[in-house]
Amino acid sequence: KAGVTQTPRYLIKTRGQQVTLSCSPISGHRSVSWYQQTPGQGLQFLFEYFSETQRNKGNFPGRFSGRQFSNSRSEMNVSTLELGDSALYLCASSLAGTLGNIQYFGAGTRLSVL
Amino acid sequence: SQKIEQNSEALNIQEGKTATLTCNYTNYSPAYLQWYRQDPGRGPVFLLLIRENEKEKRKERLKVTFDTTLKQSLFHITASQPADSATYLCALEGTGGFKTIFGAGTRLFVKA
Repeated sequence: KAGVTQTPRYLIKTRGQQVTLSCSPISGHRSVSWYQQTPGQGLQFLFEYFSETQRNKGNFPGRFSGRQFSNSRSEMNVSTLELGDSALYLCASSLAGTLGNIQYFGAGTRLSVL
Repeated sequence: SQKIEQNSEALNIQEGKTATLTCNYTNYSPAYLQWYRQDPGRGPVFLLLIRENEKEKRKERLKVTFDTTLKQSLFHITASQPADSATYLCALEGTGGFKTIFGAGTRLFVKA
């Protein structure tokens, strides 16, 4: 069974640009969560999608948005990039996203904003 | 606000010894607590889950305890090996929504 796939693995952008990251969950998994990981802050929850609906959102500005498609694949978009957006962005999928569900993470997309 | 604290300093131990990592939390009543392992350049990998009404959980050389009174979880790796060297993350899930809160992780180094 294929794991969670995130593309691209690395991205370099400049301030003011926008970026779209992609996540393909494990087959059969309907919940996808996104996290930002930085050395100082650890993993910070961005949002979670289930059956194309955003069920929960973290404390990030509106520049961070996402969506989920009918095949459970998800995309995350960051507009008007800032230097502080440089981070590892991780996607995790789980079967139903209910409490106690194990999350399976992708390898992440490393975003560098110059 | 909800807060999870893991020892930010790296833990260095000798091979064969027991590694003990700590996770403390405040302003939160988790229903579940999970531990993940993360290697450099990779995403976290699930290790163990413990429920609020469970005191202890074991899996091979791993043991997790969960004390809701102290608001603390301890993660033990017995007979540690150099291959256990990684960052270990504690994660909490509450009943208030589909959101998991992660600690910043503790880096473990096991010397041969």
